[in-house]
Amino acid sequence: ETGVTQTPRHLVMGMTNKKSLKCEQHLGHNAMYWYKQSAKKPLELMFVYSLEERVENNSVPSRFSPECPNSSHLFLHLHTLQPEDSALYLCASSQDLWLGGRGSPLHFGNGTRLTVT
Amino acid sequence: KQEVTQIPAALSVPEGENLVLNCSFTDSAIYNLQWFRQDPGKGLTSLLLIQSSQREQTSGRLNASLDKSSGRSTLYIAASQPGDSATYLCAVPGGGSQGNLIFGKGTKLSVKP
Repeated sequence: ETGVTQTPRHLVMGMTNKKSLKCEQHLGHNAMYWYKQSAKKPLELMFVYSLEERVENNSVPSRFSPECPNSSHLFLHLHTLQPEDSALYLCASSQDLWLGGRGSPLHFGNGTRLTVT
Repeated sequence: KQEVTQIPAALSVPEGENLVLNCSFTDSAIYNLQWFRQDPGKGLTSLLLIQSSQREQTSGRLNASLDKSSGRSTLYIAASQPGDSATYLCAVPGGGSQGNLIFGKGTKLSVKP
């Protein structure tokens, strides 16, 4: 496999469930990102990891908990979500972290379509 | 605060037509600008990354230009094909926050055969 792979592709969960989204990149990149894409809204950055260290938490509620065990894998643990959290969750990676606005192109996975009932 | 606007929100053209998608940003102090393509239910595919020192980038039938002083970028698609139908997004660095890209809402393009 090449590129950025996200699983599952679709997820339906109740508000009391606990689930996890998985992202794996096969590009040898050092930085990984979680983005949220809601209907009719621009993509919103959630979390940024560089060399397995979290460098950015963009005011995301604690019901979203990221984990980066190594530079190739990124997880997003979900618990007690709300219906408004339903969205497409996109993982991305880049060779190095964007610093001061400079960086290499982002490569995105196909996303996980999450529905919270 | 950086804001990115894309006009039009949607565009429908017949096959073979040349077209231009527009992107504007409020803070011209950017190092680069990136254009992406998103197919329905899929992730984003990077099309072109223009550095601030460049005025344009070309890839096949795609040509992107950047005018920092006016806060604008355009994506030119030549001889459009039905396979070009997708949503096109532009993004600029957010500044300050590490790893942050500010995205526009995109232009949804439909090319009719």
